[in-house]
Amino acid sequence: ELKVEQNPLFLSMQEGKNYTIYCNYSTTSDRLYWYRQDPGKSLESLFVLLSNGAVKQEGRLMASLDTKARLSTLHITAAVHDLSATYFCAVDIGTSYGKLTFGQGTILTVHP
Amino acid sequence: NAGVTQTPKFRVLKTGQSMTLLCAQDMNHEYMYWYRQDPGMGLRLIHYSVGEGTTAKGEVPDGYNVSRLKKQNFLLGLESAAPSQTSVYFCASSYSRASGSKEQYFGPGTRLTVT
Repeated sequence: ELKVEQNPLFLSMQEGKNYTIYCNYSTTSDRLYWYRQDPGKSLESLFVLLSNGAVKQEGRLMASLDTKARLSTLHITAAVHDLSATYFCAVDIGTSYGKLTFGQGTILTVHP
Repeated sequence: NAGVTQTPKFRVLKTGQSMTLLCAQDMNHEYMYWYRQDPGMGLRLIHYSVGEGTTAKGEVPDGYNVSRLKKQNFLLGLESAAPSQTSVYFCASSYSRASGSKEQYFGPGTRLTVT
């Protein structure tokens, strides 16, 4: 059974600092997604990573995928308050119907 | 495009009552999914559908039924609600891209409380 683990689960950062969220998974996969969820809201797609070594960047967020290590990272550069949200990684092991297994989520709070 | 919509947004049920949650998508996606989200557990797949008239069980299907009579709609039913079904329910849809990705698009969610 695929397990997806994120750490940390809670992250309190100061504005302007850098940090990384880690997503480890237990079964071979080369498809991984990052989503953002604001409180009481839906999930918004951030990044789609489809191969080993894939790197995607959007603003202050950068995501990467290392399929050999079964690890994805979401790096935050010079955090700002607007990045406060819950971040989920989700792994697709290649089922015909696109089943996603989600991590527990990382609750990020950025303080002034 | 409205994307993925869900009704209702909120609902309170008494134990033993039944209800149906409606999900609709206007993107002509083949795949549709129902998830539940509970604190600290991420999202867990309840049921999914790979096309009109087909449904299948996900990770946590017990106590739920689904139907997909039209491609754009995916209904989730609770026949006899239990307090353990208190959760936030999300519907999602996707399609197969040439890249192999089946990126999922999520609805706004339904917050259900069973007392």
